[in-house]
Amino acid sequence: DSGVTQTPKHLITATGQRVTLRCSPRSGDLSVYWYQQSLDQGLQFLIQYYNGEERAKGNILERFSAQQFPDLHSELNLSSLELGDSALYFCASTGSGGSGNEQFFGPGTRLTVL
Amino acid sequence: SQQGEEDPQALSIQEGENATMNCSYKTSINNLQWYRQNSGRGLVHLILIRSNEREKHSGRLRVTLDTSKKSSSLLITASRAADTASYFCATDATYFGNEKLTFGTGTRLTIIP
Repeated sequence: DSGVTQTPKHLITATGQRVTLRCSPRSGDLSVYWYQQSLDQGLQFLIQYYNGEERAKGNILERFSAQQFPDLHSELNLSSLELGDSALYFCASTGSGGSGNEQFFGPGTRLTVL
Repeated sequence: SQQGEEDPQALSIQEGENATMNCSYKTSINNLQWYRQNSGRGLVHLILIRSNEREKHSGRLRVTLDTSKKSSSLLITASRAADTASYFCATDATYFGNEKLTFGTGTRLTIIP
């Protein structure tokens, strides 16, 4: 158990809908990362937050947004969902967010868009 | 886009044999990490090697790094059935001083009992 929790485990929804994925980092970790894993794109970095502020952005679509709250949990919002958004979404956390740190991954949320 | 490419894409060996996976990457890095992923589950960190290191050991794992060739290898010795998983290398692309991991395509390792 990494100490990172994600809810829900599974999510099935229809195209055009909006969903929110939730992540709670390890106790004391300030930095949260979101990744998308799909068969065709592999593991892609989406976005990083550090202590409530956006720190780095990767291949995140404009239809997607995220935030980190004062209690350090983070939410990833996916809107106007398309079939291609079906994937595993992981969050990870580290203490400081700097280079050279092991990232602790949550169990993931499997999103299926029908 | 993927920074790293693992080779081979899939590997099947008998239990007790050694498994070697390779990773190539494209840009300069600060460090390289290896992660394991059991089917459909979260990734687990295995080992980190810094750009100024050439070899690192952790239990049955041995990692090498050749920055001149932009490549790394992961050796798992005396493999066990529980080692069956996908293995990913991940490089950092320091972005305004913060780590953004870029993962390779992964090697699917199957240990045959």
